[in-house]
Amino acid sequence: GESVGLHLPTLSVQEGDNSIINCAYSNSASDYFIWYKQESGKGPQFIIDIRSNMDKRQGQRVTVLLNKTVKHLSLQIAATQPGDSAVYFCAERVRNNAGNMLTFGGGTRLMVKP
Amino acid sequence: GAGVSQSPRYKVTKRGQDVALRCDPISGHVSLYWYRQALGQGPEFLTYFNYEAQQDKSGLPNDRFSAERPEGSISTLTIQRTEQRDSAMYRCASSLGPTNEKLFFGSGTQLSVL
Repeated sequence: GESVGLHLPTLSVQEGDNSIINCAYSNSASDYFIWYKQESGKGPQFIIDIRSNMDKRQGQRVTVLLNKTVKHLSLQIAATQPGDSAVYFCAERVRNNAGNMLTFGGGTRLMVKP
Repeated sequence: GAGVSQSPRYKVTKRGQDVALRCDPISGHVSLYWYRQALGQGPEFLTYFNYEAQQDKSGLPNDRFSAERPEGSISTLTIQRTEQRDSAMYRCASSLGPTNEKLFFGSGTQLSVL
């Protein structure tokens, strides 16, 4: 099957602990950000999104924080579970006259130890 | 359909051959996107459509790459005279509309050029 990311930054956490995955984005004009989860052999799966007029958004067990001053995005996963093991990508929307275009970051591998 | 469907799942071809990759988006989704993903990296934008109109093709690497969506549903990404550097995972995604930011990705076509 597909191997997603042989040399990605890796975050290893114990099951039940909280995880924080960080992302630096590049374009100060980006107005929308998304976190995707990608398991081996699958396409990226939407987790949570946030618009640039917000600095925090919460979902089920996940929270996204946005710091526009330093162009930093983070994903916090509470009570990390083995099923959370995957590669996580942040993406920013570069708005142009034609509409949406998501630009993805390089990804972080999350490994959850039972 | 229930999700974005791509075919074939794997494609092995010889250098110099043409290949056609197919994407069937989620039923009713207006926007369709093509991305390419190399190992260890996030998806890289290639092109996208609203209905049958190609809105942005700025990510296509060169003129050997083309895409179409003639009836506003199924799309085909064609690579002519393939080269080894074209080997990658090609992913299709769709969204409900041009202002709907949530992209739903397919499982991709793994292209190997020998």
